[in-house]
Amino acid sequence: GAVVSQHPSRVICKSGTSVKIECRSLDFQATTMFWYRQFPKQSLMLMATSNEGSKATYEQGVEKDKFLINHASLTLSTLTVTSAHPEDSSFYICSATPGQVNTEAFFGQGTRLTVV
Amino acid sequence: SQQGEEDPQALSIQEGENATMNCSYKTSINNLQWYRQNSGRGLVHLILIRSNEREKHSGRLRVTLDTSKKSSSLLITASRAADTASYFCASKGGSNYKLTFGKGTLLTVNP
Repeated sequence: GAVVSQHPSRVICKSGTSVKIECRSLDFQATTMFWYRQFPKQSLMLMATSNEGSKATYEQGVEKDKFLINHASLTLSTLTVTSAHPEDSSFYICSATPGQVNTEAFFGQGTRLTVV
Repeated sequence: SQQGEEDPQALSIQEGENATMNCSYKTSINNLQWYRQNSGRGLVHLILIRSNEREKHSGRLRVTLDTSKKSSSLLITASRAADTASYFCASKGGSNYKLTFGKGTLLTVNP
């Protein structure tokens, strides 16, 4: 089946620094990818839709200057958490769907971000 | 925005028993999908049911969809300890690929 690779799986950074998370579709092209955030024991909350070659679409309440998304190619989207604070600590997950509406989404392994 | 409820929020059963989880959604859909998540890991797709389907099977999984009630259920038969995980439904509507997730059910299968 299709594979989405997310890197890194775990990162610890200091407050004030920026962290970049990569999401790659390994065997299909994805014009659209999605970034989610998940707090402990909660569901996935959609943060933004990453569109290849154009600006990302952010969900209400998500700061676009805080969470920078770049989708420069059909197989790679990146999420950069800028000027990270401890409250940004969370589990971030990306997903991509290879094409048609009635196909499943494939998820990355997730990134556990801890800001100290 | 998040929508959809799942019940129960947590379910604890013994190995060999069946587990049923329910999901409701709010808007019209193209399809509804069920995913599994082990603690601290990514999501694994289990099954997709289209809006014109009423029931679908895959191994020990059985999914039903009632579009008139905007609800779906996931049945896991003959559960195993390895089925212990969180289960999420996700609805897909409109022309984009955006998924809206339910709140999830934490299933614990005791050996």
